[in-house]
Amino acid sequence: SQQGEEDPQALSIQEGENATMNCSYKTSINNLQWYRQNSGRGLVHLILIRSNEREKHSGRLRVTLDTSKKSSSLLITASRAADTASYFCATDGGNKLVFGAGTILRVKS
Amino acid sequence: DTGVSQNPRHKITKRGQNVTFRCDPISEHNRLYWYRQTLGQGPEFLTYFQNEAQLEKSRLLSDRFSAERPKGSFSTLEIQRTEQGDSAMYLCASSPSNRDGYTFGSGTRLTVV
Repeated sequence: SQQGEEDPQALSIQEGENATMNCSYKTSINNLQWYRQNSGRGLVHLILIRSNEREKHSGRLRVTLDTSKKSSSLLITASRAADTASYFCATDGGNKLVFGAGTILRVKS
Repeated sequence: DTGVSQNPRHKITKRGQNVTFRCDPISEHNRLYWYRQTLGQGPEFLTYFQNEAQLEKSRLLSDRFSAERPKGSFSTLEIQRTEQGDSAMYLCASSPSNRDGYTFGSGTRLTVV
């Protein structure tokens, strides 16, 4: 079963704009992670935020976590065509990560 | 170390045949995971190894599926008597602990005809 649910399912923006993706989950977590997947490839780990953290930055990425609302958001600033990919949130489900269905991001140049 | 390696990249097989996939994780990572992903969906957990011990198996892993990790190094995933519903991308990942992100391989795309 997939615990995390990303919203929106798909997002299309112009190069240079910001992209925001949201993730909601159901049970308590130790950490939440975001991954990117280019078409037909494996997933790439982007960022991990622990349950006692509220915000984390990595380059053009900003992740927030609200454990009271069981939600997280991923912000990509100044998007580029190369950011076109699927983005997944994943929560720790005991011994493994549980992934959502993902958000498809398309950045038009 | 060049990351997680999966072979083959693509496999086309006839229904009823057996297939085996291999995963070579990052050598320092004692945790290894297999996931399955179908089009438009996120990865679904199949099984998890810590060193050579298989510690968790999903209910998705029917008795036609078996995974091994001899000596805690590479891992193999075998599917016996393949069915068309087995067509998917099979992803392998490794991590050093349950507090770290995963490193994924590029996956093996299986097509059952």
